[in-house]
Order: sequence, then structure tokens, then C-alpha cells
Amino acid sequence: QVQLLESGPGLVKPSETLSLTCSVSGDSDSNYHWSWIRQPPGKGLEWIAYISGVGSTNYSPSLMNRVTITGDMSKNQFSLKLNSVTAADTAVYYCARGVMYELESWGQGTLVTVSS
Amino acid sequence: QSVLTQPPSVSGAPGQRVTISCTGSSSNIGAGYDVHWYQQLPGTAPTLLIFNNNNRPSGVPDRFSGSKSGTSASLAITGLQAEDEADYYCQSYDSSLTGFYVFGTGTKVTV
Repeated sequence: QVQLLESGPGLVKPSETLSLTCSVSGDSDSNYHWSWIRQPPGKGLEWIAYISGVGSTNYSPSLMNRVTITGDMSKNQFSLKLNSVTAADTAVYYCARGVMYELESWGQGTLVTVSS
Repeated sequence: QSVLTQPPSVSGAPGQRVTISCTGSSSNIGAGYDVHWYQQLPGTAPTLLIFNNNNRPSGVPDRFSGSKSGTSASLAITGLQAEDEADYYCQSYDSSLTGFYVFGTGTKVTV
């Protein structure tokens, strides 16, 4: 049974960079891919990016100019950087493990607030 | 940005059957990409409920079922229970631009 745990600052200032890490315990085989998803308070889910087990990446068209996803699954972790944040980036950020196109296991989520 | 449309809310009495629709387009569901469904209980992370249109992960009751046709998909909950009160999201893949995952707008089920 895989477990995913998000970590990072809970408060980020406007215009700065949001940085989060997802630590994976359990099966991190290269056949999986690893995603970040966010959910603004009271709103729906938004997929941000994924990195495959062999290191290829894919980004949401609406965020791709500000987002970078990296991964080192030999260390069982992958990361997200979102730059030039605004209040609209305030959300619960989830990491998840994917098989094909479904997200089968999710972390508990971490709330990131953008505020000065 | 959500490109899959769901009704904001559905409700039903215990024991009843409810369905949630998920409407996409020719670049996602209509292109043949599978639809997956997630359940999000209040204050918790989403969990995979249905994958590849109509398959249940281990541990998901058979009261939950999915279907797909054309550019739409549906989630049905039969024998509705109080514990089913949650938000439900559909998800697929969109082949436009560089290709990306898309979620539905979400549906609140009230029992």
C-alpha cells in the first residue's frame, strides 16, 4: 500500500515561488506516474502536472508558464514549483500516484495560502 | 479549468438511486479516453471510486457503477446510504494542445 505525504510552507508571499515536495513510501515502480492536483477553498479539483516514471513531464496549459515538476524516485520523492504566485493560487495541494490515466492513490493534501 | 461538466448537486433519499452525468467533448471523452470517478468525503482527500469507465477498485461497494457513451459518462449510486454524502468528480484525458488531465466541475450528493 503506497502512502504519499505533501510537505512545504503553508504560507507564501505574493510574487514568490511556491515549493512543495511529495514523499512516497511503498511501491514507486517506474510504471507509475506522479501528479500534482490542487483545490481552492470551496472549489473543484484542478490537475497541475505530472512526471512519469522515466522522467517525462506534462503540464496543465493554464499553468505551464509558471510550473515545474521534478522527481527523483530513487529517493522516493517528487516536487512542484509554482512561481509568481497570487491569491488565486491559494489552495489545498495534493500529490497522487497514477496508473495509465487514473489517479489511484492520493496524499492527504496540504493547504498553501498566498498572502503578505 | 474544467472542461468536463457535471450537475452542481443531486439528492436522494436513503435506498434510492441517483445518477451523476459528466459531459465532455470530442477531444476528451468523445475521443475514446476513459473516464474515472473520485469520491471526496467532507474534509478529506479524493479517492478513486471508478476507473476505466466501469471498474471498481478493491473495497468499493458494487452500489457504485459507471458507464460511458459518446461524449458523456455517468456514475450511478444505487441503494443510497448516508455515508455516500460527498462530492464526486469525473476525470479524463484531453488530447488538445499538449494533452492534459481534466476534471469535472464536481457534484455534491446529498442524502
